[in-house]
Amino acid sequence: EDQVTQSPEALRLQEGESSSLNCSYTVSGLRGLFWYRQDPGKGPEFLFTLYSAGEEKEKERLKATLTKKESFLHITAPKPEDSATYLCAVQAGGGGSNYKLTFGKGTLLTVNP
Amino acid sequence: KAGVTQTPRYLIKTRGQQVTLSCSPISGHRSVSWYQQTPGQGLQFLFEYFSETQRNKGNFPGRFSGRQFSNSRSEMNVSTLELGDSALYLCASGRGSHEQYFGPGTRLTVT
Repeated sequence: EDQVTQSPEALRLQEGESSSLNCSYTVSGLRGLFWYRQDPGKGPEFLFTLYSAGEEKEKERLKATLTKKESFLHITAPKPEDSATYLCAVQAGGGGSNYKLTFGKGTLLTVNP
Repeated sequence: KAGVTQTPRYLIKTRGQQVTLSCSPISGHRSVSWYQQTPGQGLQFLFEYFSETQRNKGNFPGRFSGRQFSNSRSEMNVSTLELGDSALYLCASGRGSHEQYFGPGTRLTVT
């Protein structure tokens, strides 16, 4: 069964203090790994898709990286508006048409001014 | 381009009742997936529809069902509601594989 574990569960940073969120996964053939951001009371907002080990994607202060067992979301010089829950999800490959996403429990990031 | 829309946004129901939730995907997206989000379990996959056919189903009881129409709009139905069904129900649309885009969700409260 596909599994996704995110750490830490919660992270509190000062504005400008860079850090990383971790997503460890076990999946029978990875089709894709996805990062989402979720604000309270809203649906998840798509950030990145990573497909193979060594791949990196960047968007503003965020950078996602992927290895064969885990992914990191690096946040450089965060601002208070980066405060949100960050979700990691995997989509298993192996052929067929199973495109479901298996999510981790998320990391609640709080950035203090 | 308009995003995924879900109606209603909030719903309060009584145990034993049934409920129908609606989802309109992004134009051009033929895949619609449904997820349940609770504080304890996080986001859990319910089912996925593509071109009016259910392709995948998660580990939920038969009380949870869905369908997709020819215009790709989808509905989800929960019968004989239980207190534990209280959750945020999220709909996501996509082109089949790759990323899925989520709607704002329907907050269901069962009393």
